[in-house]
Amino acid sequence: DAGVTQSPTHLIKTRGQQVTLRCSPKSGHDTVSWYQQALGQGPQFIFQYYEEEERQRGNFPDRFSGHQFPNYSSELNVNALLLGDSALYLCASSFGRSPLHFGNGTRLTVT
Amino acid sequence: GDSVTQMEGPVTLSEEAFLTINCTYTATGYPSLFWYVQYPGEGLQLLLKATKADDKGSNKGFEATYRKETTSFHLEKGSVQVSDSAVYFCALSTIVPDDKIIFGKGTRLHILP
Repeated sequence: DAGVTQSPTHLIKTRGQQVTLRCSPKSGHDTVSWYQQALGQGPQFIFQYYEEEERQRGNFPDRFSGHQFPNYSSELNVNALLLGDSALYLCASSFGRSPLHFGNGTRLTVT
Repeated sequence: GDSVTQMEGPVTLSEEAFLTINCTYTATGYPSLFWYVQYPGEGLQLLLKATKADDKGSNKGFEATYRKETTSFHLEKGSVQVSDSAVYFCALSTIVPDDKIIFGKGTRLHILP
């Protein structure tokens, strides 16, 4: 049973560019959450998708947007990249009130 | 707002030593409490959880008890192994007002053979 899979593993972008990160949830899960983990910090909640809609949002600017597809997979888009957006981006999936299952993350470096 | 505070690392111990990682929380509702572990190069894995006061979560020799009176959820293990070296995150979630998990900053643990 595949767990949560994220792609790509690593990514290098230039300031001002746009990036799309992808996530496939664990089989049987219908809810996807995205977190940003800066170096040496705990993960910070970005937003959560359920039934193809954004259900909750953390304290992140509108440059961060997302999408959930009918097969429950999800994308995180970040526009107008800043140096401060460099981080590990974690996707987590769940079903109902089950605990989150995390992917291994996408390491984004903005230069 | 809701928050989690955990002891800063790194924590360095010898194999078979006793481990305590302190965690306290602030929450407006009645949160569920979690410990997650992150091994090098990997995502977070749920280590244990507790959903109400006085509950004890346990897994792989680790334990933590939900103490409402002291708003704490300290992680303990009686005898650590080199393979326990990782970063440990204390976290909480509340249904009201919103359904998301709030993490502490993490504590890096090094176990020496």
